[in-house]
Amino acid sequence: NAGVMQNPRHLVRRRGQEARLRCSPMKGHSHVYWYRQLPEEGLKFMVYLQKENIIDESGMPKERFSAEFPKEGPSILRIQQVVRGDSAAYFCASSPENSGNTIYFGEGSWLTVV
Amino acid sequence: GDSVTQMEGPVTLSEEAFLTINCTYTATGYPSLFWYVQYPGEGLQLLLKATKADDKGSNKGFEATYRKETTSFHLEKGSVQVSDSAVYFCAQTYSSASKIIFGSGTRLSIRP
Repeated sequence: NAGVMQNPRHLVRRRGQEARLRCSPMKGHSHVYWYRQLPEEGLKFMVYLQKENIIDESGMPKERFSAEFPKEGPSILRIQQVVRGDSAAYFCASSPENSGNTIYFGEGSWLTVV
Repeated sequence: GDSVTQMEGPVTLSEEAFLTINCTYTATGYPSLFWYVQYPGEGLQLLLKATKADDKGSNKGFEATYRKETTSFHLEKGSVQVSDSAVYFCAQTYSSASKIIFGSGTRLSIRP
């Protein structure tokens, strides 16, 4: 049973470009979460999705950031017009239910904005 | 609001030394408490957890006890190995995976 798969693992973008990060949850998991880890900080919740629905986006910046989890395919975190402050590690996690006791994290996608 | 505070790193120890990484939390109720470990270039892995007061979580020689009276969940290991070098995160949540609150992490380096 494959774990949570994220790609790309490392992404370099110039300021103003778009970044797309993908996440395939574990088999049987219908709940997906995105967290961001800024340098030397802990993870901060961004968004929680189920298939075709955003359940909680209280941690998402108001502009430039969006997330989706379509009926088919991986969840996508999209960052438009990236700025240097977006440089961070973005972690996806999934669970079979919305429970902190059954969440599994992917290996992360490291975004560097130059 | 609810928060998690853990000791700042980096922490550098010699192999076979005793390890303690302090973690305290603030919460209005009684959350579940977790320790996650992040090895270089990898994602977070759940190391251990405790869901109620006086519970002890343990895994791979690591232990932590949920202390309600001191609102603490300190991580301990009797004899560390070089392979334990990683960043350790303390975390809490009441139930929802979308409301996990993480500490800022403690980097641990073990010298051979």
